[in-house]
Amino acid sequence: KAGVTQTPRYLIKTRGQQVTLSCSPISGHRSVSWYQQTPGQGLQFLFEYFSETQRNKGNFPGRFSGRQFSNSRSEMNVSTLELGDSALYLCASSATGTIAMNTEAFFGQGTRLTVV
Amino acid sequence: AQTVTQSQPEMSVQEAETVTLSCTYDTSENNYYLFWYKQPPSRQMILVIRQEAYKQQNATENRFSVNFQKAAKSFSLKISDSQLGDTAMYFCAALNYGQNFVFGPGTRLSVLP
Repeated sequence: KAGVTQTPRYLIKTRGQQVTLSCSPISGHRSVSWYQQTPGQGLQFLFEYFSETQRNKGNFPGRFSGRQFSNSRSEMNVSTLELGDSALYLCASSATGTIAMNTEAFFGQGTRLTVV
Repeated sequence: AQTVTQSQPEMSVQEAETVTLSCTYDTSENNYYLFWYKQPPSRQMILVIRQEAYKQQNATENRFSVNFQKAAKSFSLKISDSQLGDTAMYFCAALNYGQNFVFGPGTRLSVLP
């Protein structure tokens, strides 16, 4: 069974640009969560999607948005990039979502975004 | 708001020895889960062990076990017979019902040969 796939693995963007990151969950999983990991702030929850609906949202500005498609693949978009958006972005998939809490969340290897 | 604290930024242990990583958390909820995740240099977060708050028995997974003290809101991870492959960042995390993971800042563990 293939794991969680995040593309691209590495990305360099310029301030002011926008970026789209992709996450393909494990086959059959319907929940995808996104996290930002930085040395200063650690791991912070961005949002969770379940069956194409946003279930929860973390404390991030509106420049951060996401969506989930009918095949459960999810994209995360960051507009008007700032230097502080440089981070490792991780996504996690689970079969039933955090509401159930009895299933394991599987993480991808992340996308390393550098904003210059 | 839920918070998770890991007071040991870095630790080291000799191969085959035992090490304990500390974690404390703060929540007002009664129904929650606690986790330890491992992040090796490959960056992929891997679940090590998890504990349901309503269970008094400490979770165990092979060489990994936890000491869950609910009243003290403490959730430490013990790694027995440490192996070189255990070298990684270890994150303690809490999950409230219907919400999402709150992670601690992590502990960098080095297993020395």
